[in-house]
Amino acid sequence: DGGITQSPKYLFRKEGQNVTLSCEQNLNHDAMYWYRQDPGQGLRLIYYSQIVNDFQKGDIAEGYSVSREKKESFPLTVTSAQKNPTAFYLCASSSGLGGNTEAFFGQGTRLTVV
Amino acid sequence: DAKTTQPPSMDCAEGRAANLPCNHSTISGNEYVYWYRQIHSQGPQYIIHGLKNNETNEMASLIITEDRKSSTLILPHATLRDTAVYYCIVRVFGTGGFKTIFGAGTRLFVKA
Repeated sequence: DGGITQSPKYLFRKEGQNVTLSCEQNLNHDAMYWYRQDPGQGLRLIYYSQIVNDFQKGDIAEGYSVSREKKESFPLTVTSAQKNPTAFYLCASSSGLGGNTEAFFGQGTRLTVV
Repeated sequence: DAKTTQPPSMDCAEGRAANLPCNHSTISGNEYVYWYRQIHSQGPQYIIHGLKNNETNEMASLIITEDRKSSTLILPHATLRDTAVYYCIVRVFGTGGFKTIFGAGTRLFVKA
């Protein structure tokens, strides 16, 4: 089955620790995205990558880092610099670089920092 | 910045058409309008998208005004399972290519 896999579904970490969220896609998509969603809110763009070895900051990149060493993988690290990391994190991918390509989403990782 | 404006919530009776409006008055000529929906604690699901012509698929219809400043998503026969948050978005071209920006969405309640 083709799709986007995020793991784990639930993640608990202690305050001050870095944590890495996994996102893998087997859709052969060039572009990948990370979003953050807080309760009752819409999605906010953290980082996006149009091609391997390149990525751009979104609207709320502070306290986060990403890498894009492989086309199918786009891991997100939530660093200790992120002041309020507890949230629902969503990864997405889309084919091509044009505006006429829909994005497909994973099922999300719910991160809780205690 | 979100480039779309939607009402925060709407109700619809089961079996009736649900018409969800969206304003995107600053949309550029090469930007597409997309609709997604999100059921609680799941990833958003793609519904439909369009540039300037009306579009229809097995899930919904998308009506875009001639000036492209607004659009309406139509679910022709809403069911209880259509209760979700519906996002109207545009794909914005910026540094590095296109990125997808979401607004707050409309929470649709389908009632029996």
